[in-house]
Amino acid sequence: AQSVAQPEDQVNVAEGNPLTVKCTYSVSGNPYLFWYVQYPNRGLQFLLKYITGDNLVKGSYGFEAEFNKSQTSFHLKKPSALVSDSALYFCAVLQTGANNLFFGTGTRLTVIP
Amino acid sequence: DTGVSQNPRHKITKRGQNVTFRCDPISEHNRLYWYRQTLGQGPEFLTYFQNEAQLEKSRLLSDRFSAERPKGSFSTLEIQRTEQGDSAMYLCASSLGQGGGNQPQHFGDGTRLSIL
Repeated sequence: AQSVAQPEDQVNVAEGNPLTVKCTYSVSGNPYLFWYVQYPNRGLQFLLKYITGDNLVKGSYGFEAEFNKSQTSFHLKKPSALVSDSALYFCAVLQTGANNLFFGTGTRLTVIP
Repeated sequence: DTGVSQNPRHKITKRGQNVTFRCDPISEHNRLYWYRQTLGQGPEFLTYFQNEAQLEKSRLLSDRFSAERPKGSFSTLEIQRTEQGDSAMYLCASSLGQGGGNQPQHFGDGTRLSIL
């Protein structure tokens, strides 16, 4: 069985400060990991993915994520938060051989001006 | 570059009525997915097509739900005899690929269904 945990429902950060949104996963075999962002009344926008290779993955809008196999984590990071980054962030895992993404429950990020 | 398009954006209907949603994927994408998202939750997988073939269905997809992708392009999701619990955002996504399916899925803006 696969699972994704986003332990924080809400993350608040001051504009210009670094941000981290946490994600841990459980899956059989090697995971494919994704981060998506959702703005109000919109669908999900793809930010970045980890398939294999370098543990630090760079994505859209200055976001990056670090894959840590021993801690089964894939935390999303950004060096300097913008007010426009305020949104709902979802971590998702794709089990090898599966076709559907399995999502966490989401973390609401609020960047305070 | 046109993204995934879903219609209608909002649907309000009475309990017991049938509803149909449409999804137009990114044109070159051969894979199409339907998800359901309720308030405060992440999207949950419903079903998946590769070209016109429906290859996987979730247990969430009761016999009141049916999805088609007749020519391997657009897809429809029909819910018959709607129930209160069907109220949710229905999301469509598409991706390109064969085999492992690790290409990013691109989502539409969804159809929000409200059952009165």
